[in-house]
Amino acid sequence: GDSVTQMEGPVTLSEEAFLTINCTYTATGYPSLFWYVQYPGEGLQLLLKATKADDKGSNKGFEATYRKETTSFHLEKGSVQVSDSAVYFCALNNYGQNFVFGPGTRLSVLP
Amino acid sequence: DTGVSQNPRHKITKRGQNVTFRCDPISEHNRLYWYRQTLGQGPEFLTYFQNEAQLEKSRLLSDRFSAERPKGSFSTLEIQRTEQGDSAMYLCASSLTGRETQYFGPGTRLLVL
Repeated sequence: GDSVTQMEGPVTLSEEAFLTINCTYTATGYPSLFWYVQYPGEGLQLLLKATKADDKGSNKGFEATYRKETTSFHLEKGSVQVSDSAVYFCALNNYGQNFVFGPGTRLSVLP
Repeated sequence: DTGVSQNPRHKITKRGQNVTFRCDPISEHNRLYWYRQTLGQGPEFLTYFQNEAQLEKSRLLSDRFSAERPKGSFSTLEIQRTEQGDSAMYLCASSLTGRETQYFGPGTRLLVL
């Protein structure tokens, strides 16, 4: 079945550092890919998405590019802030059905 | 657009009791999903509805679990004879038919003692 793998956390960075969180997937067909973020005590919020190969999703300084050849959707941000501390989930959606989520990566940004 | 709401936000119960959670989706959304999230893990799909029809159920949804969406609006998830292993966050999400982005509620955290 479909699956998503993410780099294990926690990831701890200093403010203004560069962030990369790796995500790879296994799926039949051509899924849409997503990054969701979960702040402490809150539900999941959509961060960005890409629906086809070579698409780049971006939001709030975060970006990720759909790479079909490497089945990857790595999340990047050039300069993280303390307020970015959260758990980040990579997910895929195949043909508009249910989502398959990765295990999440916890990010802590220190001032 | 008031977003997806879930009630209660927290529930503590004793093993063997029944519990029921409610989800109110975004009003124009036809699809409604239930997920379960345990500590340190990503959400796992349980079931989904299109309008009032329950179209898919995961293997995770044992016969102690039942979900309804009687009028195609709000949904309820009931767990009968709760077990300690049912302790988790139960998430609801909704989306437009044919649209892929799912919008999540804040979740109901269940603790079974």
